[in-house]
Amino acid sequence: DAGVIQSPRHEVTEMGQEVTLRCKPISGHNSLFWYRQTMMRGLELLIYFNNNVPIDDSGMPEDRFSAKMPNASFSTLKIQPSEPRDSAVYFCASRAGQGDEWRETQYFGPGTRLLVL
Amino acid sequence: KQEVTQIPAALSVPEGENLVLNCSFTDSAIYNLQWFRQDPGKGLTSLLLIQSSQREQTSGRLNASLDKSSGRSTLYIAASQPGDSATYLCAVGGSNYQLIWGAGTKLIIKP
Repeated sequence: DAGVIQSPRHEVTEMGQEVTLRCKPISGHNSLFWYRQTMMRGLELLIYFNNNVPIDDSGMPEDRFSAKMPNASFSTLKIQPSEPRDSAVYFCASRAGQGDEWRETQYFGPGTRLLVL
Repeated sequence: KQEVTQIPAALSVPEGENLVLNCSFTDSAIYNLQWFRQDPGKGLTSLLLIQSSQREQTSGRLNASLDKSSGRSTLYIAASQPGDSATYLCAVGGSNYQLIWGAGTKLIIKP
């Protein structure tokens, strides 16, 4: 298996532009997570999907952020409009498990390094 | 509210030494505890997952222990190598999806 795939790996954009980050989870995994990592705040959970349905989006910073999972093999995280404070590394992770999800670990993608100028 | 602390924030040791990384958590009602490794510019890799009913897990030169009553976990690395240099993160599972993360320990193994 190729693991969790994220694109792009690096993104540099100007303030006010729309940014779309993409994630392909591991085949057969039914849970998907979007995280943001910064030096100041560490790892933060942004949103959690289970069976393509958003379960918890309480970590999404504000209305400028939105996430979708149209099918089991694809998810997007969109920032519109982007701001310099959104600069961070954004990770996608997926997890298997039916029922006893807490027994399973999360598998992380390589991340997207976003810089908003 | 669960809080996870990792001490020290950074550690530098000579190659070949055995070392211990520490993780503490404030709420003992956990489902599991995981140790991850993060290399610069890369994602996180799960090293060991300990269920709440377990006391320890081992993988090669790594051994992780869990003491729920005292709110502590340790990651023991035997015979350290330069390739072990990375940031090690501890994460506590308190529900079926949430992980509460520590800030990590940056480990440098000097050749």
